[in-house]
Amino acid sequence: NAGVMQNPRHLVRRRGQEARLRCSPMKGHSHVYWYRQLPEEGLKFMVYLQKENIIDESGMPKERFSAEFPKEGPSILRIQQVVRGDSAAYFCASSPTPPNTQYFGPGTRLTVL
Amino acid sequence: AQKITQTQPGMFVQEKEAVTLDCTYDTSDQSYGLFWYKQPSSGEMIFLIYQGSYDEQNATEGRYSLNFQKARKSANLVISASQLGDSAMYFCAFRKNSGGSNYKLTFGKGTLLTVNP
Repeated sequence: NAGVMQNPRHLVRRRGQEARLRCSPMKGHSHVYWYRQLPEEGLKFMVYLQKENIIDESGMPKERFSAEFPKEGPSILRIQQVVRGDSAAYFCASSPTPPNTQYFGPGTRLTVL
Repeated sequence: AQKITQTQPGMFVQEKEAVTLDCTYDTSDQSYGLFWYKQPSSGEMIFLIYQGSYDEQNATEGRYSLNFQKARKSANLVISASQLGDSAMYFCAFRKNSGGSNYKLTFGKGTLLTVNP
């Protein structure tokens, strides 16, 4: 049973460019969560999605960040016009219906030059 | 909001010895869960163990056990017979189990464990 898949594993962008991070949940999981880990910090919740629905985006910056989980295909975290402060590791997790253990993907390390 | 505190930025242990990593939490919720995750230098987050607030026994998973003291609001991770591969960052996390936001994990800042040969 494949785990949570994320790609790319590493992403380098220049200031002002767009970053697209992808997440495919574990088989049988329809709930996806995105977390951000800044250097020397623990993970911070960003957004919780089900298929075609954003359930809670309270942890996501209001501007430049968006997330989706379409009926078909992976979940996408999109960061427009990236700035240096967006440099971080972005983790996706998935679970069956909450509350259930969340299993994490390997993360995408975003570096903004 | 819940607060998770890991007071040990770094810990050292000799191979084959046991080590305890501390975690305390602050909540007014009655139904909740505590999680421990391991993050090796490769960066992935690996689920280790879970303890529910109503579980009567402390959780165990192989060499990992959770010393859960509800009155003290602590959920310390015990790793027995440490191995070199246990060297990693360890995160404690809290989650409500009922009501709104029963999906949101709140993480501590982590403890970096180094196992010496």
